[in-house]
Amino acid sequence: AQSVAQPEDQVNVAEGNPLTVKCTYSVSGNPYLFWYVQYPNRGLQFLLKYITGDNLVKGSYGFEAEFNKSQTSFHLKKPSALVSDSALYFCAVRDMDGGSQGNLIFGKGTKLSVKP
Amino acid sequence: DVKVTQSSRYLVKRTGEKVFLECVQDMDHENMFWYRQDPGLGLRLIYFSYDVKMKEKGDIPEGYSVSREKKERFSLILESASTNQTSMYLCASSLLASTGELFFGEGSRLTVL
Repeated sequence: AQSVAQPEDQVNVAEGNPLTVKCTYSVSGNPYLFWYVQYPNRGLQFLLKYITGDNLVKGSYGFEAEFNKSQTSFHLKKPSALVSDSALYFCAVRDMDGGSQGNLIFGKGTKLSVKP
Repeated sequence: DVKVTQSSRYLVKRTGEKVFLECVQDMDHENMFWYRQDPGLGLRLIYFSYDVKMKEKGDIPEGYSVSREKKERFSLILESASTNQTSMYLCASSLLASTGELFFGEGSRLTVL
């Protein structure tokens, strides 16, 4: 079965420091991987995706993610965190089962807290 | 930009009431999805649809039904609301073929008393 794990419920970072939000996946075949961000009482906003090609993917708001096939990971990173980055972050993998038509399987989410 | 609109941001209903959650997208997407989001559980798929009048059960369809009479509109129905259906409900859409990402609405927070 395909799955996504976000091992940290919460990540705390000081403003200006680099941040990493971890994600590991389990799929059969090549994964399609996504990161989303959710601000309080809002829907999910797409940040970036990995389909194929360069292992380092750049996305919105200065975020990037590194695909590592050998470690089955897709960690989200940002060189310098902002207080406004504080939000809930979701990693997702595309469900590749035949009948799922593009559904994404989401991790449980990681709350990022950036302190001034 | 794709816009997915959920008509009700906040609803308060009583146990046993019938509840309709409406979702409309404006980009001619074939796929539409309903998820519920609960703390510590992430997003769980309730139903999805890949065409008008087509629907497929997701991971947690019990207690819910859906309707897709037009391509742009996907409705979630709680026939008889229960307190354990208090949650945030998120609608999403995407192109059929794909590597494409899902586009989400702002969410509907339902409280069942």
